[in-house]
Amino acid sequence: TQLLEQSPQFLSIQEGENLTVYCNSSSVFSSLQWYRQEPGEGPVLLVTVVTGGEVKKLKRLTFQFGDARKDSSLHITAAQPGDTGLYLCAGAGTGGGADGLTFGKGTHLIIQP
Amino acid sequence: AAGVIQSPRHLIKEKRETATLKCYPISRHDTVYWYQQGPGQDPQFLISFYEKMQSDKGSIPDRFSAQQFSDYHSELNMSSLELGDSALYFCASSRTGKYNEQFFGPGTRLTVL
Repeated sequence: TQLLEQSPQFLSIQEGENLTVYCNSSSVFSSLQWYRQEPGEGPVLLVTVVTGGEVKKLKRLTFQFGDARKDSSLHITAAQPGDTGLYLCAGAGTGGGADGLTFGKGTHLIIQP
Repeated sequence: AAGVIQSPRHLIKEKRETATLKCYPISRHDTVYWYQQGPGQDPQFLISFYEKMQSDKGSIPDRFSAQQFSDYHSELNMSSLELGDSALYFCASSRTGKYNEQFFGPGTRLTVL
């Protein structure tokens, strides 16, 4: 069974600060996806990382996939109140085919003005 | 482009009743996945289909079944409903060869009374 440990679970910071969310596993993933989810709504895909060591940027968000494809991080620069929400990492197994995603428990992020 | 469509968005059932949830994937997506998300929990993978064939199976109860049709839409059939089945049910779709990159629908909120 693949497990993804996401940390921190809760984070409250001031507007303008930087933060990093971590997603770690002992398992190798073929790809890892980051989602943002609002209450009662479906997760919205932010990015997919596939290659070990890969770095992707989405405006103030920087996503990195570990060299061994077992871990990932999300870094937000100069956080804004609009960044408030639940962030989920999810990994796809290496079995091929239409593998279901294994999700982390999520990070509840609050950016205070 | 239109996203994943799920219907109904809300459903209220009594214990021991049956329910059918429908999912219409994004155009040209050939794979669908079903997830269950309980209150305060991360999404749990139930089952997936590729080209109308079951591809991967997660923690789907024996009381649930699903299928994918020739137009790629999918239905999740739930029988003998229990109180614990109350949750958000998400459908996601992906396109073969796109690193299992899954796009989620808005979800169906099932309440069992």
